[in-house]
Amino acid sequence: GAVVSQHPSWVICKSGTSVKIECRSLDFQATTMFWYRQFPKQSLMLMATSNEGSKATYEQGVEKDKFLINHASLTLSTLTVTSAHPEDSSFYICSASPGGSYSGANVLTFGAGSRLTVL
Amino acid sequence: GQNIDQPTEMTATEGAIVQINCTYQTSGFNGLFWYQQHAGEAPTFLSYNVLDGLEEKGRFSSFLSRSKGYSYLLLKELQMKDSASYLCAVSDSNYQLIWGAGTKLIIKP
Repeated sequence: GAVVSQHPSWVICKSGTSVKIECRSLDFQATTMFWYRQFPKQSLMLMATSNEGSKATYEQGVEKDKFLINHASLTLSTLTVTSAHPEDSSFYICSASPGGSYSGANVLTFGAGSRLTVL
Repeated sequence: GQNIDQPTEMTATEGAIVQINCTYQTSGFNGLFWYQQHAGEAPTFLSYNVLDGLEEKGRFSSFLSRSKGYSYLLLKELQMKDSASYLCAVSDSNYQLIWGAGTKLIIKP
């Protein structure tokens, strides 16, 4: 089945530093990937849709200059949390659909998630 | 607005049956998904319903009534490993996934 690899699984950083999270589709090409954030005991919140070769589409309320998304190839999207602060501490999850941009019955496959703790 | 409602938490006994309900109000409908999420892990796909009725897949079944904006996930022969959160998500008219807050299922021996 489709596999999405996400790295790192967890990261601890100091306030003010930047952290990069990678998301790779291992056995399929993903023209579109999705980045979610999940706070404890809350549901998934879509942050942005990453489009290969073009700018990401951010959801309302998500700062695009703070959460930089790069989708330079059909198998790799990166999320960089810039100038991280403790309130950015969360579980970040990427996902992709082997069927291309998500639609209908195309099932989202999720990466394992990255737990970010900002001190 | 768009809304997905599911119970926050449920408790059941090992070997028993549990039904997790999900009601939705969305702009358009292109299918309903159930995902399982263990603590600290990413969600994994369980089922997809787009037509009314029951879809059975082993110990898990999912039901949909589009006219009622209602779905349920039925888990039979519960095992301890079924302790997890179960997320209901609806694909709206723009094929955007709207997520429920999840139901935390606690299985007791």
